[in-house]
Amino acid sequence: GAGVSQSPSNKVTEKGKDVELRCDPISGHTALYWYRQRLGQGLEFLIYFQGNSAPDKSGLPSDRFSAERTGESVSTLTIQRTQQEDSAVYLCASRRDSLGHEQYFGPGTRLTVT
Amino acid sequence: AQSVTQLGSHVSVSEGALVLLRCNYSSSVPPYLFWYVQYPNQGLQLLLKYTTGATLVKGINGFEAEFKKSETSFHLTKPSAHMSDAAEYFCAVSSPTSGTYKYIFGTGTRLKVLA
Repeated sequence: GAGVSQSPSNKVTEKGKDVELRCDPISGHTALYWYRQRLGQGLEFLIYFQGNSAPDKSGLPSDRFSAERTGESVSTLTIQRTQQEDSAVYLCASRRDSLGHEQYFGPGTRLTVT
Repeated sequence: AQSVTQLGSHVSVSEGALVLLRCNYSSSVPPYLFWYVQYPNQGLQLLLKYTTGATLVKGINGFEAEFKKSETSFHLTKPSAHMSDAAEYFCAVSSPTSGTYKYIFGTGTRLKVLA
C-alpha cells in the first residue's frame, strides 16, 4: 500500500457509545497527524505524533478524545461517550521526518453520531 | 502564533477563465506554505508547496502560486480553468524552524467551474 489508509470509511454510532478510528501511515513516515473536518468547514488539528517524542495533544477538544500510536506505525483515535457534535470526517495524515516535506492524507473516516 | 486566511469561501469561474484563490498568512518565523485540493469524499492532495528558494512555485494540474513576503500572501492561480478543477482548496502554513511541525489550515475555498 503506497498511501495512508483509514478504517472504517464510515461509522454510524449511537450517542454515548465509544468509537475507535484507525490510521495506517505510509511506511517510513515518522510523523502522524489527526484532524477533524466538520461539514463545510476547514481542518481542525487534533493531535500530532513525531517518532518517540511526546505527542502534541493541544488540539484535542475534550478528555473524551484520546489517541495512541505504536512506534512509527498504526494510530488509533478513540472517542468516548460520543456526542452528536462529534459527527465529522476524521482525517489522518503522515509525513516524512524532514523539513519541508508535506503531509499525505488518508481518505478519512466519516463519523455520524445519532 | 500562525494563522491563515482564505478570502472567499466560494469562488465561481467560467471554464477557460483565470483561477485566482487568495491566501494570506501570519507567521513570526519563515513560513512553509502549502496548497491542498480536496475532491468530494476524498482526502486532501498536495497541489504545491513553498519552503525556500524560488518564490514562484509550480504544482500539479497547471496550478502555481507565488510567495510574496511583503504582502504575506501565497495566492493560487491557474491560467485556464477546467471543469475537473471544481473542488475545495485549502491553504496551510507551517514553520518547522520554530520547532513545531503543526500545520495551520485555512477554512477552504470551494471552486465552482461554470460551463
